Amino acid sequence: ETGVTQSPTHLIKTRGQQVTLRCSSQSGHNTVSWYQQALGQGPQFIFQYYREEENGRGNFPPRFSGLQFPNYSSELNVNALELDDSALYLCASSLVVNTEAFFGQGTRLTVV
Amino acid sequence: AQSVSQHNHHVILSEAASLELGCNYSYGGTVNLFWYVQYPGQHLQLLLKYFSGDPLVKGIKGFEAEFIKSKFSFNLRKPSVQWSDTAEYFCAVNPPDGGGADGLTFGKGTHLIIQP
Repeated sequence: ETGVTQSPTHLIKTRGQQVTLRCSSQSGHNTVSWYQQALGQGPQFIFQYYREEENGRGNFPPRFSGLQFPNYSSELNVNALELDDSALYLCASSLVVNTEAFFGQGTRLTVV
Repeated sequence: AQSVSQHNHHVILSEAASLELGCNYSYGGTVNLFWYVQYPGQHLQLLLKYFSGDPLVKGIKGFEAEFIKSKFSFNLRKPSVQWSDTAEYFCAVNPPDGGGADGLTFGKGTHLIIQP
């Protein structure tokens, strides 16, 4: 166990809807990152939050947004869902930016 | 931006065979290097990491990796695999001074199957 927990574990949404995924970081970790892992691919970096501020973003459109709260838990929001958004979404926390990341088990999102 | 290539997408070995999984990255500057493993139904776990110093790093479960800067490579090795090593293996990099802008860049992964 990494101490990083994500909810829900599985989710089915309809195209055009909005979704919120949640992550609880490992205790003491002030950095959280989100990744999208499509079937058969490696995780792709969506964005990173450090002390409640977004401090890095991958090649994802603005409809992917996030929040980090004072207790360092985090949310990933995706608006206007598309079929291609179907993937495993992974949350990872780090003690310090750009060091070892500890991953949660992920949320499997299916868009129909 | 950096990229990571893993040479073998699927590898099948017998127990006790030796393992080497290739990983090459493209990035002109200093990088942190990682190997993660994903066992069936489990979360991504760190096998080993290289930040600086001795280019031969040892990780958990008997795995090791060698950083060869001139070849931009960070290959994973294990002298004798076990059935329990069946998993997906990912190589990843990030620049230590990137400020988080790029996060971790992962390869596409290698699906390793160990036959009893």
